[in-house]
Amino acid sequence: QKEVEQDPGPLSVPEGAIVSLNCTYSNSAFQYFMWYRQYSRKGPELLMYTYSSGNKEDGRFTAQVDKSSKYISLFIRDSQPSDSATYLCAMSVSGGGADGLTFGKGTHLIIQP
Amino acid sequence: GAVVSQHPSRVICKSGTSVKIECRSLDFQATTMFWYRQFPKKSLMLMATSNEGSKATYEQGVEKDKFLINHASLTLSTLTVTSAHPEDSSFYICSARDPGGETQYFGPGTRLLVL
Repeated sequence: QKEVEQDPGPLSVPEGAIVSLNCTYSNSAFQYFMWYRQYSRKGPELLMYTYSSGNKEDGRFTAQVDKSSKYISLFIRDSQPSDSATYLCAMSVSGGGADGLTFGKGTHLIIQP
Repeated sequence: GAVVSQHPSRVICKSGTSVKIECRSLDFQATTMFWYRQFPKKSLMLMATSNEGSKATYEQGVEKDKFLINHASLTLSTLTVTSAHPEDSSFYICSARDPGGETQYFGPGTRLLVL
């Protein structure tokens, strides 16, 4: 079993829809969870950073972590064509960027105008 | 803030040659930088952790003699791919830990093609 599982998609939704992206993981030691957005041939851009279980909201983005189920989600409200990208979940045992991150494979999201 | 640059953005080299990739933190000092590799349709995989002024720590399966890492200053880490082979062709991405931030910030990546 891979350490982090993420459906690679592609996931195609119409503009304005609510998008739900998720990852599952197997290592219970992970405490810090991140979502990155990556455009083609570019480096990942940090979107959301959460610690332990709970929700965090930032504008149109909401991150959820359920450590008991080893399941994390990213919701995007009022999706826009500019949100089209690959979304990577990442996680680490230690916070503050002290450890290397373990990534999912990334979900390719397409928002149709 | 928290900008990380990489140079070059793209490089093509012949098999057997060495290639150096630079990673710079532009607006903060990074005591720790990380090097990742991403093959097509695969996850970013951590290769090594680079600490300023000390030896890098390599992940299992990554040859330290092939991938030389130097972190000589608080704003610069370099990755040298020695005696490159076609199977080393990949997207190499560095990240830097912002001591005042929450996590790592990534560079734009370097695409290496070995012919």
